[in-house]
Amino acid sequence: EAQVTQNPRYLITVTGKKLTVTCSQNMNHEYMSWYRQDPGLGLRQIYYSMNVEVTDKGDVPEGYKVSRKEKRNFPLILESPSPNQTSLYFCASSLGLLSSYNEQFFGPGTRLTVL
Amino acid sequence: AQSVTQLGSHVSVSEGALVLLRCNYSSSVPPYLFWYVQYPNQGLQLLLKYTTGATLVKGINGFEAEFKKSETSFHLTKPSAHMSDAAEYFCAVSLTGGFKTIFGAGTRLFVKA
Repeated sequence: EAQVTQNPRYLITVTGKKLTVTCSQNMNHEYMSWYRQDPGLGLRQIYYSMNVEVTDKGDVPEGYKVSRKEKRNFPLILESPSPNQTSLYFCASSLGLLSSYNEQFFGPGTRLTVL
Repeated sequence: AQSVTQLGSHVSVSEGALVLLRCNYSSSVPPYLFWYVQYPNQGLQLLLKYTTGATLVKGINGFEAEFKKSETSFHLTKPSAHMSDAAEYFCAVSLTGGFKTIFGAGTRLFVKA
């Protein structure tokens, strides 16, 4: 089954404790992206990757890191989480944004709480 | 710069009534436009999209949207609401050849019996 998976689905942590949220897709998509969803703000893009070893900042990259060492994986790293990073996080992938097939496929989400 | 505005954070309709969710965008170049739906505790899934060609786009579950360049709008409609349509709906825009997608703040649709 074609899908985007994220782990963990739920995470409660404390300020300053490094964490990684994993994202994996099995559709051989070139493009992957991370979003955070907050009430009243919709989805805001954190980082995106056009291919292996190619990443760029979205609209809200502060406090986050990403890497793309393999095509299928795009982990999101919070080196020193803070309470304002409490949010619902979504990973998404797409065949590529230079074609007309711009549909993004979303993972199930990771609800992160930073105390 | 691109932006997306969804009018109304909450919309309530009766079952069987017309659904109209409004979306306006700003873009300096022809955009790609999308509507995504998010059911409770799930990720987003594509409802429909406009890239080029016919301006009236039909999607899943009986939804459709019309791209009106002169009004910079991409409103979502469904002739008759069903209880299962209750969800949050997001309008989004990306640029041809670009790598970023901008989402609206979302509209939560309530359907009353």
